[in-house]
Amino acid sequence: LAKTTQPISMDSYEGQEVNITCSHNNIATNDYITWYQQFPSQGPRFIIQGYKTKVTNEVASLFIPADRKSSTLSLPRVSLSDTAVYYCLVVNRDDKIIFGKGTRLHILP
Amino acid sequence: EAQVTQNPRYLITVTGKKLTVTCSQNMNHEYMSWYRQDPGLGLRQIYYSMNVEVTDKGDVPEGYKVSRKEKRNFPLILESPSPNQTSLYFCASSLWHREAGTEAFFGQGTRLTVV
Repeated sequence: LAKTTQPISMDSYEGQEVNITCSHNNIATNDYITWYQQFPSQGPRFIIQGYKTKVTNEVASLFIPADRKSSTLSLPRVSLSDTAVYYCLVVNRDDKIIFGKGTRLHILP
Repeated sequence: EAQVTQNPRYLITVTGKKLTVTCSQNMNHEYMSWYRQDPGLGLRQIYYSMNVEVTDKGDVPEGYKVSRKEKRNFPLILESPSPNQTSLYFCASSLWHREAGTEAFFGQGTRLTVV
């Protein structure tokens, strides 16, 4: 049973804000929500992680509603170099770290 | 520099010839894992290890073995490789922070072709 559901692909334009939403209806109390970015033929790279409310770093923001059944990764003012696959995961201390198929984000000029 | 190092980066081998892909991390992480990535299937976990001498099966463990004799190393062993194990393999390590969750670091990948 998949832990997360996210769109298969998205297109956007340079300079726009991109929001990718992930559904995780069965999230457990001790699960964290984590997002990774992957470029072709490279290993995934950690972007951001959160447990509840909002988290922001130099790269992105992560919005988590009170029920934690979904989350939204927000990428401000994207550029062509943000074209990549983005994975949403729910992880906890005692379990496997499972990646789904991710969202293929394509940024257009 | 904190890193996860896999070797080799590229490997072409023949069916049935045993091979080992090495993975080493210099961050003193407890958790290490192996993934394979195939077109259209995303990243699938093969095996993971929560600490030395502790290993568990991931989603696609058939045809693979691992060992964790030291904290820093987590080799992936293919005893009798077959063509359906042709794939891109990634090793990862992570440290669990009690209050902040975890961040996984990935190696550069090993592209394996079995003919």
